[in-house]
Amino acid sequence: GAGVSQSPSNKVTEKGKDVELRCDPISGHTALYWYRQSLGQGLEFLIYFQGNSAPDKSGLPSDRFSAERTGGSVSTLTIQRTQQEDSAVYLCASSSPAGWTGELFFGEGSRLTVL
Amino acid sequence: GDSVTQMEGPVTLSEEAFLTINCTYTATGYPSLFWYVQYPGEGLQLLLKATKADDKGSNKGFEATYRKETTSFHLEKGSVQVSDSAVYFCALSGNTNAGKSTFGDGTTLTVKP
Repeated sequence: GAGVSQSPSNKVTEKGKDVELRCDPISGHTALYWYRQSLGQGLEFLIYFQGNSAPDKSGLPSDRFSAERTGGSVSTLTIQRTQQEDSAVYLCASSSPAGWTGELFFGEGSRLTVL
Repeated sequence: GDSVTQMEGPVTLSEEAFLTINCTYTATGYPSLFWYVQYPGEGLQLLLKATKADDKGSNKGFEATYRKETTSFHLEKGSVQVSDSAVYFCALSGNTNAGKSTFGDGTTLTVKP
């Protein structure tokens, strides 16, 4: 697609439920990133993919969080047994190492509300 | 580890006022520096960047100069417009091929007519 696409744009769930957030990066971008933006806070790094592998998953807050990427394209971030503190906007970004400049291309985010 | 500290907001200015948003960083090596902007209801987008010391990034009337001696990358605009109202994020990325970028907490700018 023309840009990074994320779905759903909004998700309201009950505490204890599992949620899946999807990211479809820009075609041809081999690097994919997940960040979390809590209200009034900056962007918190979660995980980074290069192709289908995740060289850096140091930002995942707990073992309730996991992510995968298949076919070097779409990625899914899964949060199990959601807690209220998981409420945030989850941002996905992609980039191309070819001619690497460091610029990230962001989607519009998935807003998660845990009741 | 790497870190970015930017001026706390919110910042409220009148149209045509001068804008400065301060940003300082801590990093090993020679990172690239960025300003991203998030307009209401939209995703983050790159505003400008600088990849080495003394480089000046510029776009849409905004400028920032990479100052290695002061580890700073302050954002400036001479005359802001209402349409500049947004959240501005300073960020850095290491000088490796891909890998994570580190962001500041963001500064909310509101420009009033």
